[in-house]
Amino acid sequence: QLQLQESGPRLVKPLETLSLACTVSGDSISSSNHYWGWIRQPPGQGLDWIASFYSSGKTDYNPSLKSRVTISADRSEDQFSLKMSSVTAADTAVYFCARGDTIFGIDSWGQGTLVTVSS
Amino acid sequence: SYELTQPLSVSVALGQTARITCGGNSIGSKNVHWYQQKPGQAPVLVISRDYNRPSGIPERFSGSNSGNTATLTISRAQAGDEAAYYCQVWVSSTVIFGGGTKLTVL
Repeated sequence: QLQLQESGPRLVKPLETLSLACTVSGDSISSSNHYWGWIRQPPGQGLDWIASFYSSGKTDYNPSLKSRVTISADRSEDQFSLKMSSVTAADTAVYFCARGDTIFGIDSWGQGTLVTVSS
Repeated sequence: SYELTQPLSVSVALGQTARITCGGNSIGSKNVHWYQQKPGQAPVLVISRDYNRPSGIPERFSGSNSGNTATLTISRAQAGDEAAYYCQVWVSSTVIFGGGTKLTVL
């Protein structure tokens, strides 16, 4: 059974870098035909896609966040990561990692982790 | 950039049919997916590729997509269907979500 689990600091100071990791079990990020991505949800608001990583090594980014975001993967650990620089209070959100397909949608989600940006 | 428009809220009487729309330019030519999200939980895929139900999703959930509007239909609405619903497409290598619709079951 596929499971995704987010990990990382829950509190980040303004202008610092937010770093999260997603550990995958039940599938391999190297052999899967899916993409692996990050999606966030500010409190009381909707879903906002951040970035995706493909087994081919290709990456896609939300144009509005691209200058501050990097998605990367550790294939040996079946783990992928998100780094977001120069964070502000507007980056406070629940961050989800997920597995998606360009044709069939996003079929698996992590439970989400609330990251708060505050001094 | 491509945008998806959903109503902020929809209300339905218990046991009746709810319809949630998702508007987008020529959305009928794209694969539309729908997610249900209950408070404090991760979203769950309830409709894939316009009208396909993933395993475990009740037949009461159905979808359609044509022209500039995709629609999620929930028949015989139950109290447990009360949630936020999001439509989503994949366009030009980007994942796009609608703003979400809060479904209230009266």
